[in-house]
Amino acid sequence: SQQGEEDPQALSIQEGENATMNCSYKTSINNLQWYRQNSGRGLVHLILIRSNEREKHSGRLRVTLDTSKKSSSLLITASRAADTASYFCVRWGNAGGTSYGKLTFGQGTILTVHP
Amino acid sequence: EAQVTQNPRYLITVTGKKLTVTCSQNMNHEYMSWYRQDPGLGLRQIYYSMNVEVTDKGDVPEGYKVSRKEKRNFPLILESPSPNQTSLYFCASSFQANTEAFFGQGTRLTVV
Repeated sequence: SQQGEEDPQALSIQEGENATMNCSYKTSINNLQWYRQNSGRGLVHLILIRSNEREKHSGRLRVTLDTSKKSSSLLITASRAADTASYFCVRWGNAGGTSYGKLTFGQGTILTVHP
Repeated sequence: EAQVTQNPRYLITVTGKKLTVTCSQNMNHEYMSWYRQDPGLGLRQIYYSMNVEVTDKGDVPEGYKVSRKEKRNFPLILESPSPNQTSLYFCASSFQANTEAFFGQGTRLTVV
């Protein structure tokens, strides 16, 4: 079942603007990951943030994690047309739990960056 | 090049005709899994394997079979495909659970 909720479902911006996507989840996590998917193609790993981390950067990407609120956000700065894609937050089931080994996806945010 | 390879990329078949979608990884990963992606339903896990000879059901296993006889391969078998299995399928692997997952390019399956 889908246990990651993302918002907005769709986001349309101009090149150069920042894009922020949010993800909420229901159970505790060891880590949370963000992936990008270009129009029906394979998923590309962007960043992994561990439960003991609050913020992580990778190039123009910034991910935050608030485990008390069970939420994460992905910020893409100075967006480009090539950033147009769907973005998913993804979490593993907890080690030792019945869902260990299960990978759960959020519904995704469709980002469109206009040139 | 480190990769997950799925074959075929596209497949059109008829109801009831058994088919296998292959998945192979060259990263010596212990963990492999299969997903289907459907509009409005997102990506859902079908089966996963923590290691050779160890497989478990995901969220939507009905109508599918898998096997993990060797570390690098994790085929998805549809014994009697039905139209509701028309979907985009992804295979993924990772060193172990709780680590970065690498995805194949997807297999678009149409069952008529």
